[in-house]
Amino acid sequence: DAGVIQSPRHEVTEMGQEVTLRCKPISGHDYLFWYRQTMMRGLELLIYFNNNVPIDDSGMPEDRFSAKMPNASFSTLKIQPSEPRDSAVYFCASSETSRLAKNIQYFGAGTRLSVL
Amino acid sequence: KQEVTQIPAALSVPEGENLVLNCSFTDSAIYNLQWFRQDPGKGLTSLLLIQSSQREQTSGRLNASLDKSSGRSTLYIAASQPGDSATYLCAADTGRRALTFGSGTRLQVQP
Repeated sequence: DAGVIQSPRHEVTEMGQEVTLRCKPISGHDYLFWYRQTMMRGLELLIYFNNNVPIDDSGMPEDRFSAKMPNASFSTLKIQPSEPRDSAVYFCASSETSRLAKNIQYFGAGTRLSVL
Repeated sequence: KQEVTQIPAALSVPEGENLVLNCSFTDSAIYNLQWFRQDPGKGLTSLLLIQSSQREQTSGRLNASLDKSSGRSTLYIAASQPGDSATYLCAADTGRRALTFGSGTRLQVQP
């Protein structure tokens, strides 16, 4: 398997624009996680899904952020409108129930977002 | 709310030295404790996972220990190599599936 695939790898946009980040989890994995990493706050969980259903979105910073998982092989994280303080690296991770007793998460390479 | 702290924030050692990275957590009711490695511009790679019922786990030159009662975990790296240079993060799993991460220790191994 190619692992967790995220796109784009880098995104530069202007304040106020809509940004969509994409993630393809490992095939067969039924948990998907979105994290954000910044120098100030480190790595924080934003939201996670189980079988395409959002389970915990308490980490989503505000209504400008939304996430969807229309099917088992695709998820999006959308920011509308974007602000400079949203600049960060956004990671997607996935895990599978058969390993849930250990909850080993596999991370994508991340999307580096810069909002000017 | 679980809080995870890692000390030191950065560490530079000569090649061949044995070293210890520290991780502490505030809520001892964890499901497991995980150590990850992050290379610049890359995602996280799982290194070791210690279940709450375990005291330690070993993989090659890496050994991780867990003391739930004191809220501490350590990652021991034996005979360090330049290729070990990376940021090491620990994360506590409280059983909600979500991980709470420390801020990481940036390790530089000098050849």
